[in-house]
Amino acid sequence: DIQMTQSPSSLPASLGERVTISCRASQGISNNLNWYQQKPDGTIKPLIYYTSNLQSGVPSRFSGSGSGTDYSLTISSLEPEDFAMYYCQQDASFPNTFGAGTKLELK
Amino acid sequence: QVTLKESGPGILQPSQTLSLTCSFSGFSLSTSGICVSWIRQPSGKGLEWLATICWEDSKGYNPSLKNRLTISKDTSNNQAFLKITSVDTADTAIYYCARRDYGSYSFDYWGQGVMVTVSS
Repeated sequence: DIQMTQSPSSLPASLGERVTISCRASQGISNNLNWYQQKPDGTIKPLIYYTSNLQSGVPSRFSGSGSGTDYSLTISSLEPEDFAMYYCQQDASFPNTFGAGTKLELK
Repeated sequence: QVTLKESGPGILQPSQTLSLTCSFSGFSLSTSGICVSWIRQPSGKGLEWLATICWEDSKGYNPSLKNRLTISKDTSNNQAFLKITSVDTADTAIYYCARRDYGSYSFDYWGQGVMVTVSS
């Protein structure tokens, strides 16, 4: 299985701040990397697919980048609704695997 | 508008079989490139992909649970199903179903999740 390592596990940040979450795969995944946001009520929202493509309705302050084994999610200016858990997921091979998550918290 | 909703027994005892239903609307599991997946999340932990079934009836299972999982679908009634045999307390989790689109190779719509507790 491909292991996905996210960092940091917790990220305190302020409104308006620019933040970046990293995700590293245990082997190359050829840009087959997706990002999801989970709110405290459990609702999961897809954010980005294939490294850098925004899902429908996702604000442009979200962006993704990366290649090979290293990928990142950037939020350019934090809004109140952005404080949540974030998960990366590789789609390069079965079984699909997720990172352990990054909790974006209000500082 | 795409929606998915999971349903399940809520509580069951160790060694029983867990049966889950995903009822969806806004798409068809007979459309080329469309699949439905099951993903679970134990309390306070991360996400674990379990199984996927696609429009042409191909199926994929997580090898860590493969012998215990059976995924199926009822295309005419817009439902997908997951059975997990011989459950134990480690199967206590929120279970999500999600649409998987081969256009984006991602889980592009998710249900709200259903809590399943395994307890004696």
